[in-house]
Amino acid sequence: KAGVTQTPRYLIKTRGQQVTLSCSPISGHRSVSWYQQTPGQGLQFLFEYFSETQRNKGNFPGRFSGRQFSNSRSEMNVSTLELGDSALYLCASSATTGMGAGGSNTQYFGPGTRLTVL
Amino acid sequence: SQQGEEDPQALSIQEGENATMNCSYKTSINNLQWYRQNSGRGLVHLILIRSNEREKHSGRLRVTLDTSKKSSSLLITASRAADTASYFCATDGDSSASKIIFGSGTRLSIRP
Repeated sequence: KAGVTQTPRYLIKTRGQQVTLSCSPISGHRSVSWYQQTPGQGLQFLFEYFSETQRNKGNFPGRFSGRQFSNSRSEMNVSTLELGDSALYLCASSATTGMGAGGSNTQYFGPGTRLTVL
Repeated sequence: SQQGEEDPQALSIQEGENATMNCSYKTSINNLQWYRQNSGRGLVHLILIRSNEREKHSGRLRVTLDTSKKSSSLLITASRAADTASYFCATDGDSSASKIIFGSGTRLSIRP
């Protein structure tokens, strides 16, 4: 089975621009989660999509948005980029959302997109 | 703030020695997972332990969970150079929310 793929792998943008990152989950997985990783803040949860619906959202401003398509592929968008948005953006897929005690929401991560904002 | 906090933040040991990393969390959980991340790359799932389990093994990995202390430990035995990476614990809450919260990580270096 192919793993989680993310495109592009590297991106350089300037302040004020917007960016769209893409994630293709493992075949059959319906949940896609996005994380931002920076040296100062560590791994921060952005949001999770399951069956095209946003199920949960982290504490990020409205400039960060996402969506999921019917084939489970997901995109995240960051508008009006700021210097502090420079980070590694990781996407992870899982088969289920892991709701309740019976869930085992093991997440499989993509290699990430390294975004640099100048 | 982070749900999970790893301790120590950094650990350097000689190849062949055992490495122990600890994780503490704040709220009740269903599961606790450990992940490894090689520099600048995605995370790799290592092992999951459920809240009703106390210990789990996978190869050279041993994970313990103490829900009364809200803590977990990851032991890597007979360390190898390839074990050099950052290790994160991750927890999910017992609510209906499915978000996974990662700790701050332990950076493990194995000296040859």
